[in-house]
Amino acid sequence: QTVVTQEPSLTVSPGGTVTLTCASSTGAVTSGYSPSWFQQKPGQAPRSLIYSTSNKHSWTPARFSGSLLGGKAALTLSGVQPEDEAEYYCLLYFGDTQVWVFGGGTKLTVL
Amino acid sequence: EVQLLESGGGLVQPGGSLRLSCGASGFTFSSSAMSWVRQAPGKGLEWLSSITESGGGTHYPDSVKGRFTISRDNSKNTLYLQMNSLRPEDTAVYYCAKDGDWLPCGNWGQGTLVTVSS
Repeated sequence: QTVVTQEPSLTVSPGGTVTLTCASSTGAVTSGYSPSWFQQKPGQAPRSLIYSTSNKHSWTPARFSGSLLGGKAALTLSGVQPEDEAEYYCLLYFGDTQVWVFGGGTKLTVL
Repeated sequence: EVQLLESGGGLVQPGGSLRLSCGASGFTFSSSAMSWVRQAPGKGLEWLSSITESGGGTHYPDSVKGRFTISRDNSKNTLYLQMNSLRPEDTAVYYCAKDGDWLPCGNWGQGTLVTVSS
């Protein structure tokens, strides 16, 4: 069974920079996995932030960026704001089985 | 503005069935692939199914394959999820989402709660 792994929790100070990562049990994550990133705040539906590794939506704040880092997908927040406190999920595509798999989520605390 | 509105959730007994609907507006529904995602209470997101624009292609993870069926009616701008042989562990908020080209779940509905319990 394919597992996608994220850091369970991270803490960052306001104005700081933090990188969340997303790993696959099958090996290195490449652009072929089409990594996406989602933000979810308590009581709200998730919101898409990044797709196809590094592409942003019109509503994605400039401080969010996506990349590949050391065999993982990565979401970097630069100049973190208090409103960035949320749960963040990555999503990877596994072409051999044509399924998408979410990571377990990272709870980001801004403190 | 893209709008997605799920309905059909509620309380169902173990072993029962339920059909969820997702009404879409604000975009050309027949030109968009769609997905269903769920979230159990206090847990993470789980991708359940995707369907192509025409409805001719569908995909599922092994966890729901054979029990859940995704479908769509492009004349009604509506997405469906038929859920059979429901189990207590299927209790979750179910979301529908609009996909794009290598852009999964770009827009989300607010979700509908399904509770499987006797």
